[in-house]
Amino acid sequence: GIQVEQSPPDLILQEGANSTLRCNFSDSVNNLQWFHQNPWGQLINLFYIPSGTKQNGRLSATTVATERYSLLYISSSQTTDSGVYFCAVVETGGGADGLTFGKGTHLIIQP
Amino acid sequence: KAGVTQTPRYLIKTRGQQVTLSCSPISGHRSVSWYQQTPGQGLQFLFEYFSETQRNKGNFPGRFSGRQFSNSRSEMNVSTLELGDSALYLCASSSTGDETQYFGPGTRLLVL
Repeated sequence: GIQVEQSPPDLILQEGANSTLRCNFSDSVNNLQWFHQNPWGQLINLFYIPSGTKQNGRLSATTVATERYSLLYISSSQTTDSGVYFCAVVETGGGADGLTFGKGTHLIIQP
Repeated sequence: KAGVTQTPRYLIKTRGQQVTLSCSPISGHRSVSWYQQTPGQGLQFLFEYFSETQRNKGNFPGRFSGRQFSNSRSEMNVSTLELGDSALYLCASSSTGDETQYFGPGTRLLVL
């Protein structure tokens, strides 16, 4: 099955800093989503972005499908941005259409 | 629109028992998927239901089963619980023609 690797696994930043989270995947995908998991466990949708670029406030994402990677940018970080960020994909033509998740990037924003 | 809801939020069971978890999707969403999250294995896909039919299944033993009702609400059942079934179980829904999956708050299951 498809492999999803996220980097870095852990990231500690000061409030106000910018960050870039990376997601590499091993095969072509027809679905790619970025999520933020809050301390209570809920997965919050950030972007549905199988290709191209999207922006939502301080967050933006870019997926280069031909090179099999996606980037999540967080600008002017706030303490509320802390948590785990997951990238999840569905392989094109895959037999099981459930999302395959990476192991996540644990982001800590210090005041 | 109300989001995906899951009940109960927390559950404690003992080995050998069975458990049923419930998920109500976003109104109008007909697809419901279930995922298991553990510290060791991360987030893994269990199964997906659409129009009361299991459409896809992940790599889990037959002790894990589910069903979907005509109103799109879904339940998953785990029989003969094992310690390793302790996990956060997440449900997600999506609408036809939109690949985005929206997740509920999850049910935390502890098996003693």
